[in-house]
Amino acid sequence: NAGVMQNPRHLVRRRGQEARLRCSPMKGHSHVYWYRQLPEEGLKFMVYLQKENIIDESGMPKERFSAEFPKEGPSILRIQQVVRGDSAAYFCASSPPNRSGNTIYFGEGSWLTVV
Amino acid sequence: AQSVTQLGSHVSVSEGALVLLRCNYSSSVPPYLFWYVQYPNQGLQLLLKYTSAATLVKGINGFEAEFKKSETSFHLTKPSAHMSDAAEYFCAVSDQLGNQFYFGTGTSLTVIP
Repeated sequence: NAGVMQNPRHLVRRRGQEARLRCSPMKGHSHVYWYRQLPEEGLKFMVYLQKENIIDESGMPKERFSAEFPKEGPSILRIQQVVRGDSAAYFCASSPPNRSGNTIYFGEGSWLTVV
Repeated sequence: AQSVTQLGSHVSVSEGALVLLRCNYSSSVPPYLFWYVQYPNQGLQLLLKYTSAATLVKGINGFEAEFKKSETSFHLTKPSAHMSDAAEYFCAVSDQLGNQFYFGTGTSLTVIP
């Protein structure tokens, strides 16, 4: 049973370009979470999605960031017009449908570097 | 609302010594509590979780944590540190619906030979 798969693992973008990070949840998991980890900081919640629905995006910056989890295919975190401050590790996690007391399982992360 | 506080962003112990990483939580409802470990350039791996069963929870790699409601704590311990335990450790709390997981800022554990 494959774990949470994220790609790319490393991404370099110039300022002003777009970054797309993909996340395929574990088999049987229908809930996806995105977190951002800045150097020397903890994990910051960004968004929680179910298939075709954004449940909680309270941690998403108001501009340039968007996330989706379509009926088919991976969840995508999209960052438009990247700036140096977007450089961070972005982690995706997933959990099964019955979430009460459940664990979320993390991917290996995508490291974004903006130059 | 839930939150966790990890006291001590850096902890150093000698190989073979007791490991104690502190976590205090804030929750208005019975919480679910977790400890995760992160090795360099990797994702987070679950060490153990508390979900209102036994207050002493045993996890992988010899770690355990005790839920103390009176102290609102969920400290992580290991009797004897190993070099391979050097990593970043995160405490987390979730609400009962699992809508959000709140993570502490992490504790970096260094094991001295």
